[in-house]
Amino acid sequence: GESVGLHLPTLSVQEGDNSIINCAYSNSASDYFIWYKQESGKGPQFIIDIRSNMDKRQGQRVTVLLNKTVKHLSLQIAATQPGDSAVYFCVNNQGGKLIFGQGTELSVKP
Amino acid sequence: KAGVTQTPRYLIKTRGQQVTLSCSPISGHRSVSWYQQTPGQGLQFLFEYFSETQRNKGNFPGRFSGRQFSNSRSEMNVSTLELGDSALYLCASSLGQGAGELFFGEGSRLTVL
Repeated sequence: GESVGLHLPTLSVQEGDNSIINCAYSNSASDYFIWYKQESGKGPQFIIDIRSNMDKRQGQRVTVLLNKTVKHLSLQIAATQPGDSAVYFCVNNQGGKLIFGQGTELSVKP
Repeated sequence: KAGVTQTPRYLIKTRGQQVTLSCSPISGHRSVSWYQQTPGQGLQFLFEYFSETQRNKGNFPGRFSGRQFSNSRSEMNVSTLELGDSALYLCASSLGQGAGELFFGEGSRLTVL
């Protein structure tokens, strides 16, 4: 079966609020996870990655948390902006072959 | 530095025809991979090439094929097109096989009538 899956297909947040996008993975997943963002009409864009030897990784306004006990990871976006509106994919990198989850569409209300 | 370039951006074909899509990776990148994106199946891995060799292949029929040239540019071909082949075909490049960030192009949108 699929190695990664997202919890919600859509998420709507108010501008300025924090967003949390969740993802579950299966035993078949490798130890390398990536979050990609895809804006309308564009290809996916790398946001942040994490390997299983880490629980948390931070970037600019984004944090990825990895809970290996329950096989769950999340992407947190601080102070969400209209430009963050996009589809977010939880991705498992299996030796260069990317396994994409179904995606969560994030809408930011002004 | 130029990004990943895919041509053509849009094309319309009819059932039974064949199509060739082209991808120029970021300069210096040696790995090129291809993905199919549809509303129903999402993003699915087609194949990956590294130094002109196919190193990874997804679960697609033999009608889907590809190749990579010595300058790392890649093409994919779909023969005997079916309606279900209508999709956005995305190409991604990276420095090396299985390593590092993959950079995606904007895709070639294929419509099969």
